[in-house]
Amino acid sequence: NAGVTQTPKFRVLKTGQSMTLLCAQDMNHEYMYWYRQDPGMGLRLIHYSVGEGTTAKGEVPDGYNVSRLKKQNFLLGLESAAPSQTSVYFCASSSDRTYEQYFGPGTRLTVT
Amino acid sequence: GQQVMQIPQYQHVQEGEDFTTYCNSSTTLSNIQWYKQRPGGHPVFLIQLVKSGEVKKQKRLTFQFGEAKKNSSLHITATQTTDVGTYFCAERLSGNTPLVFGKGTRLSVIA
Repeated sequence: NAGVTQTPKFRVLKTGQSMTLLCAQDMNHEYMYWYRQDPGMGLRLIHYSVGEGTTAKGEVPDGYNVSRLKKQNFLLGLESAAPSQTSVYFCASSSDRTYEQYFGPGTRLTVT
Repeated sequence: GQQVMQIPQYQHVQEGEDFTTYCNSSTTLSNIQWYKQRPGGHPVFLIQLVKSGEVKKQKRLTFQFGEAKKNSSLHITATQTTDVGTYFCAERLSGNTPLVFGKGTRLSVIA
């Protein structure tokens, strides 16, 4: 099992560009999450999903959109990147029984 | 909204010393989880506490959940260089609400 994978690992964008981050899990988990991590701020939840076809806003959703068309995939989109979105992005998944979260390796995004 | 206070923010210890990080919530929790993130890595689940007053041990790590289910602690006995990293607590109000993470305690161990 690969667990949770994220692509890409690194990306540099210019202000105004768009991109999509892909998260995939092979553990048949119902729940999936997108976090951003900034120095001194811990992990902040952007959006999450409790099942295929459903999404919900987290603590810091502005400027991001998500989709969960397939149970194993959770996509995070930035329509018009801003320097404030420079961060490390982590995807995670969990089952609906134990709720312990399994994290992907992260995507380091820089917006110039 | 729900707030998670985790202290201290940083801790530097000599190898062999003990270390404790605390997590306090403004509300009664359903459960609490602890994660460890090594420098440059991703958070890794350590443990989940569910019951009031629960104490769990993993080798040199001891986890406690307060009697009122509003606070928790992680204690490491005789730290080693492999314990270096940031320790996060994560709280959940009820079964289907997302976790709320504390800002973490960054542990440095000086050999």
